[in-house]
Amino acid sequence: KAGVTQTPRYLIKTRGQQVTLSCSPISGHRSVSWYQQTPGQGLQFLFEYFSETQRNKGNFPGRFSGRQFSNSRSEMNVSTLELGDSALYLCASSLGGTHHTDTQYFGPGTRLTVL
Amino acid sequence: ILNVEQSPQSLHVQEGDSTNFTCSFPSSNFYALHWYRWETAKSPEALFVMTLNGDEKKKGRISATLNTKEGYSYLYIKGSQPEDSATYLCAPNGGNKLTFGTGTQLKVEL
Repeated sequence: KAGVTQTPRYLIKTRGQQVTLSCSPISGHRSVSWYQQTPGQGLQFLFEYFSETQRNKGNFPGRFSGRQFSNSRSEMNVSTLELGDSALYLCASSLGGTHHTDTQYFGPGTRLTVL
Repeated sequence: ILNVEQSPQSLHVQEGDSTNFTCSFPSSNFYALHWYRWETAKSPEALFVMTLNGDEKKKGRISATLNTKEGYSYLYIKGSQPEDSATYLCAPNGGNKLTFGTGTQLKVEL
């Protein structure tokens, strides 16, 4: 079974631009979660999508948005980029059951650098 | 917002040493605890998920215990090997999402 894939793997943008990151989950997984990791910080939860609906949201500004398609693929968009948005963005997929033991499987991440 | 603490932040051990580290989390609103291993240049990999007080899980030389009443979990590695070098993350599920700690970075030296 293919794992979680993310594209692109690396991205360089300038302040004020916007960016779209893509995540393809494991086949059969219906939930996709997005995380941001910056140096010294743990994985910070951005949002989770399940069946094309945002099911949970973290404490990030509205510049961060996402969506999920009918095939469970998900995209994350960041508008008006700031220097502080430079980070590794990880997505994780899971079966999506509401049970708290639902294991998340992570992709390799997209390294975003904002200049 | 769950306050998750992991200690130590980093650890250097010699090959063959046994080691352990701690994950602390609020004991209220606890549903499950996940442990992940994250090797450099790879994706975080799920190790264990535990739910019950007193739970103990084992995978090869790695094991974990859970105390939900006092809000902590220990991860043990017996006979550390260089391939165990990674960051170990814990993530309690307090209701509807995982909250990750900042991890313990383990370096196993020859």
